[in-house]
Amino acid sequence: KAGVTQTPRYLIKTRGQQVTLSCSPISGHRSVSWYQQTPGQGLQFLFEYFSETQRNKGNFPGRFSGRQFSNSRSEMNVSTLELGDSALYLCASSDGGRDNSPLHFGNGTRLTVT
Amino acid sequence: AQTVTQSQPEMSVQEAETVTLSCTYDTSESDYYLFWYKQPPSRQMILVIRQEAYKQQNATENRFSVNFQKAAKSFSLKISDSQLGDAAMYFCAYMAWDMRFGAGTRLTVKP
Repeated sequence: KAGVTQTPRYLIKTRGQQVTLSCSPISGHRSVSWYQQTPGQGLQFLFEYFSETQRNKGNFPGRFSGRQFSNSRSEMNVSTLELGDSALYLCASSDGGRDNSPLHFGNGTRLTVT
Repeated sequence: AQTVTQSQPEMSVQEAETVTLSCTYDTSESDYYLFWYKQPPSRQMILVIRQEAYKQQNATENRFSVNFQKAAKSFSLKISDSQLGDAAMYFCAYMAWDMRFGAGTRLTVKP
């Protein structure tokens, strides 16, 4: 089975721009969640999508949004980029069940905002 | 709020020796899951071991085992016979309704 695929791997944007990151989950997985990883804040949960619906949301401003398509692929969008948005963005998929369904992570997208 | 605390920012172990990484968490939930993830320089988070809170028996995966103390809300990871490939950042994680991670422990393995 192919793993979780995130594209692009690296991205450089300037302040004020917007960006869209993509995540393809493991085949059969219906849950996709997104995390922001920075040296200062560590790993922080952004949101989770399950069957095209946002199921959980972390404590991030509305500039951060996402969506999930019928094939479970997910996109994350960040509008009006700020320097502090520079981070590694990790996507993870699971089968979505609450019963000890572990997350499988992608390699992440490294976003640099200048 | 659920928080996960890893009190050891860095740890070092000699190859073939044993090391224990600490993790405590805070929760009011009775049903939850705990995980240890490893993040090598390749950046990909890899699941090391998982524990269901309702199970009293400590999980074991080859050289990796946990010491789960539910009353103390403690979930430490023991790595036996450490190998050079074990060098990585290790994150403790708690999951009830979403996943919460600790700040991580950087493990160095000395040859």
